[in-house]
Amino acid sequence: AQRVTQPEKLLSVFKGAPVELKCNYSYSGSPELFWYVQYSRQRLQLLLRHISRESIKGFTADLNKGETSFHLKKPFAQEEDSAMYYCALSSFGNTPLVFGKGTRLSVIA
Amino acid sequence: EAEVAQSPRYKITEKSQAVAFWCDPISGHATLYWYRQILGQGPELLVQFQDESVVDDSQLPKDRFSAERLKGVDSTLKIQPAELGDSAMYLCASSSNQQGPYGYTFGSGTRLTVV
Repeated sequence: AQRVTQPEKLLSVFKGAPVELKCNYSYSGSPELFWYVQYSRQRLQLLLRHISRESIKGFTADLNKGETSFHLKKPFAQEEDSAMYYCALSSFGNTPLVFGKGTRLSVIA
Repeated sequence: EAEVAQSPRYKITEKSQAVAFWCDPISGHATLYWYRQILGQGPELLVQFQDESVVDDSQLPKDRFSAERLKGVDSTLKIQPAELGDSAMYLCASSSNQQGPYGYTFGSGTRLTVV
């Protein structure tokens, strides 16, 4: 069965400090991994996906198949990064996303 | 930018009453999803449509929940009778066949409170 685990419900960091939001997954095949973000009073939106190997708003995430992890990182947190972050997994094609429970990131000025 | 429309934004209903939510996906998106998000948890899939056909409703509590997408465009999710445990945010998302999960667009959701 597919499962996504985000061990931290809340992560508080000071502005300018590095951020790492943890995500571990359970899936026997080759997963597609994603990070979604939800800012206050806004819709859930895609932040980045592992196959693109892109950096969005300074965030990056590397898929580590050995550790079955897809941690989200940013070297210097900004106040506008405060939001709920969800890690999600899809098995292949058009299969639905499976989400983790989310981590609330709070960046303190 | 095209959006997924959902209504109502908020709904308060009494236990045992019927309630319905509506979703209008982005034009041309063949795949439509209904997710439920209980407070403090991530979204969980209820049902997936491909055009007008149900692809996956394995997590839909069929004794009280129903979903339809008659013309393969907009969709309705119904709960009858509502229970206290149904209080949650109900999210609709759509994607085109070519985009798969990469192209999910979520609506703003309907927040249901059952009293």
